[in-house]
Amino acid sequence: QKEVEQNSGPLSVPEGAIASLNCTYSDRVSQSFFWYRQYSGKSPELIMSIYSNGDKEDGRFTAQLNKASQYVSLLIRDSQPSDSATYLCAVVVPGGYNKLIFGAGTRLAVHP
Amino acid sequence: EAGVVQSPRYKIIEKKQPVAFWCNPISGHNTLYWYLQNLGQGPELLIRYENEEAVDDSQLPKDRFSAERLKGVDSTLKIQPAELGDSAVYLCASSLSRAGGLGYNEQFFGPGTRLTVL
Repeated sequence: QKEVEQNSGPLSVPEGAIASLNCTYSDRVSQSFFWYRQYSGKSPELIMSIYSNGDKEDGRFTAQLNKASQYVSLLIRDSQPSDSATYLCAVVVPGGYNKLIFGAGTRLAVHP
Repeated sequence: EAGVVQSPRYKIIEKKQPVAFWCNPISGHNTLYWYLQNLGQGPELLIRYENEEAVDDSQLPKDRFSAERLKGVDSTLKIQPAELGDSAVYLCASSLSRAGGLGYNEQFFGPGTRLTVL
């Protein structure tokens, strides 16, 4: 079992819709969770961090965390074609090094 | 505020040749990371520095890879000799690590170096 799992997609949504991206993780004691956006040919860009159960909103983005289910998601409201990218979920695996483990990413395509 | 700087952006070499990548982190960031990213995969950590000290190099193939961060600021990652399978994007990231709290901080990535080994 991979430590961080994401559906590779592509997830295709129409412009203006809500895009829902999901991520599960295997280490029950993980405490820190991040979403990165990566455009094709570019490097990952941090867009959200979440540490507590529940929702965290930032503009059109909402991160949701459920530690009991070991599940973290990212909602993008009013999706725009410029949101088309790969979204990487990253989880800190506690231990001596507190390593950040990335999922393989979900490719999102927002079509006009 | 300037972001993480990396050079070169692209490098094409023949197998068995050496190659080096350079990274300058965000000013004031004490933690520096080197990652490798293959197509369709997330970044994978190669080495992490806290100031000058390499605190996690467990994923660094030490037979051919080496890294240094001599003054606790910029860093160099070297491959010698390069193999075909080393073709990937090499990403540098930095963060400001603080004592206490959750023990981890947000990482910011540079533009990466795309390495092609022929």
